[in-house]
Amino acid sequence: KAGVTQTPRYLIKTRGQQVTLSCSPISGHRSVSWYQQTPGQGLQFLFEYFSETQRNKGNFPGRFSGRQFSNSRSEMNVSTLELGDSALYLCASSFAARTSGRSEQYFGPGTRLTVT
Amino acid sequence: GDSVTQMEGPVTLSEEAFLTINCTYTATGYPSLFWYVQYPGEGLQLLLKATKADDKGSNKGFEATYRKETTSFHLEKGSVQVSDSAVYFCALIVPQGGSEKLVFGKGTKLTVNP
Repeated sequence: KAGVTQTPRYLIKTRGQQVTLSCSPISGHRSVSWYQQTPGQGLQFLFEYFSETQRNKGNFPGRFSGRQFSNSRSEMNVSTLELGDSALYLCASSFAARTSGRSEQYFGPGTRLTVT
Repeated sequence: GDSVTQMEGPVTLSEEAFLTINCTYTATGYPSLFWYVQYPGEGLQLLLKATKADDKGSNKGFEATYRKETTSFHLEKGSVQVSDSAVYFCALIVPQGGSEKLVFGKGTKLTVNP
């Protein structure tokens, strides 16, 4: 079974631009979560989608948005990029249909975004 | 709010040494607890998990026991190898808003020397 894939793996953007990152979950998984990883803040939750609906959102500004398609693939978009958005963006998928506290999340390799 | 506190790194050990990485948590309700590992240049891999008090998670020689009385989930391995060099993250799942989000500790970098 193929794992979680993320594209692109590396991106360099300029301040003020926008960027779209893509995530393909494990086949059969309907939940996709996004996390931002930085040296200073560590791993922080961005949002989670299930069946094309955003179920939960972290404490990030509205410049960060996402969506999920009918095939469970997900994209996240960051508009008006700032230097502080430079980070590793990780996508995770799980089979969770209901809140159980037991779902295992499987992570992709991440997209390394550098904003100059 | 819900949080995870891990011992500060980095941790440097010699091969075959005993490893302990401390992890304590604060959570409302009864979270599930996880250890993830991140090798250089890669995403996170689930190492082990425990979903209720006194559960012991184990994988690849690593173990951690869910201790509700001390709100802890310390990671241990009896004999580390060079290939165990990585960053280890303790995490909990908090059911929130009808979904689940992982709350992570800051991570502990482990280096094992031959």
